[in-house]
Amino acid sequence: NAGVTQTPKFQVLKTGQSMTLQCAQDMNHEYMSWYRQDPGMGLRLIHYSVGAGITDQGEVPNGYNVSRSTTEDFPLRLLSAAPSQTSVYFCASSYGDGINEKLFFGSGTQLSVL
Amino acid sequence: QKEVEQDPGPLSVPEGAIVSLNCTYSNSAFQYFMWYRQYSRKGPELLMYTYSSGNKEDGRFTAQVDKSSKYISLFIRDSQPSDSATYLCAIFSYDKIIFGKGTRLHILP
Repeated sequence: NAGVTQTPKFQVLKTGQSMTLQCAQDMNHEYMSWYRQDPGMGLRLIHYSVGAGITDQGEVPNGYNVSRSTTEDFPLRLLSAAPSQTSVYFCASSYGDGINEKLFFGSGTQLSVL
Repeated sequence: QKEVEQDPGPLSVPEGAIVSLNCTYSNSAFQYFMWYRQYSRKGPELLMYTYSSGNKEDGRFTAQVDKSSKYISLFIRDSQPSDSATYLCAIFSYDKIIFGKGTRLHILP
């Protein structure tokens, strides 16, 4: 199994550009989430989804959009990139059944906004 | 008050020492407590997972939860240089998982 796959691994954007970070999982997990990780700030939850068609905001949702049209995919969209969005982004998934909440993480996307 | 508080370190200890990593949390309704380990330039991976108060052991690792104090700990015995990583505590809060800031640990050979 591939697990959680994130693309791209690295990206450089100019201020104001838009882009989509892709995340796919092949474990039939209901729960998927996006985190950003900044030095000294730990992992902060951006958006999450408990199933197809359902999304909700996390701790730092501003400037990001998500959708969940299928169980497998959970893309993160940056609408108008800002330097404050320079970070490492992680997608994660789990069964989300309240019994087994082990999160499986992707390998991350390092994003720089100039 | 943040839901989960964790000292970011860094923490440096000699090889073979016992390491103690700690977090506090704010909501007594939290039920599931986890520790993740993250090596440099990698995604976090689950290390320990517990529901209840008390201790849970797995090899050299012991997770401890004190619900009355809202305090969780991870102990590493006979620490090895390969244990050098960032350790993040995490709590399952209703329908999402919230992480502490992570503690950077260096095991000195």
